[in-house]
Amino acid sequence: AQSVTQLGSHVSVSEGALVLLRCNYSSSVPPYLFWYVQYPNQGLQLLLKYTTGATLVKGINGFEAEFKKSETSFHLTKPSAHMSDAAEYFCAVSRGNQGGSEKLVFGKGTKLTVNP
Amino acid sequence: DAGVIQSPRHEVTEMGQEVTLRCKPISGHNSLFWYRQTMMRGLELLIYFNNNVPIDDSGMPEDRFSAKMPNASFSTLKIQPSEPRDSAVYFCASSRFEKLFFGSGTQLSVL
Repeated sequence: AQSVTQLGSHVSVSEGALVLLRCNYSSSVPPYLFWYVQYPNQGLQLLLKYTTGATLVKGINGFEAEFKKSETSFHLTKPSAHMSDAAEYFCAVSRGNQGGSEKLVFGKGTKLTVNP
Repeated sequence: DAGVIQSPRHEVTEMGQEVTLRCKPISGHNSLFWYRQTMMRGLELLIYFNNNVPIDDSGMPEDRFSAKMPNASFSTLKIQPSEPRDSAVYFCASSRFEKLFFGSGTQLSVL
């Protein structure tokens, strides 16, 4: 079975500060990993995904995440927070090329607040 | 493309009533997913279809829930009878090449 743990249900940063949202996963097979963002009253949008290859993945809006197999982590970062980054962020895992890759398991989400 | 379209955006009903949620996936996407989001349980996969065929409904909470996909451009999620604990935001998503596209959701309140 696969699972995702997001450390911290709420994270607050100042505008211009580093954003770090933590995600650890559990998977018995090589995983595919995803970060999604949800703005108020909207559905989730894909920020970035890791499948194979380069472990540092760049996404939209200046976000990036690094796959660390030894730490079973896929933390999301952005060097400088912007007010428009305030949203809820979800980490997700799927079974990758073992089949059923579209069946994602989501973490509980981390709500990011950006203070002026 | 208009994206994944869900209706209604909001639904308020009384306990015991039948509720039908609707979804139009993005044209050309061959997989469709129904998710439920609550504060307590987060985002849960209820059921997903591939090429209109239900593949995995293990997330459907009980027999009161049913989902259909009669063709590639339409799906429904039905709850009958509805209960207050069904109150949640229900999302439909369609996918192609492992990238999910979500609709804006249906906020369901069962009184």
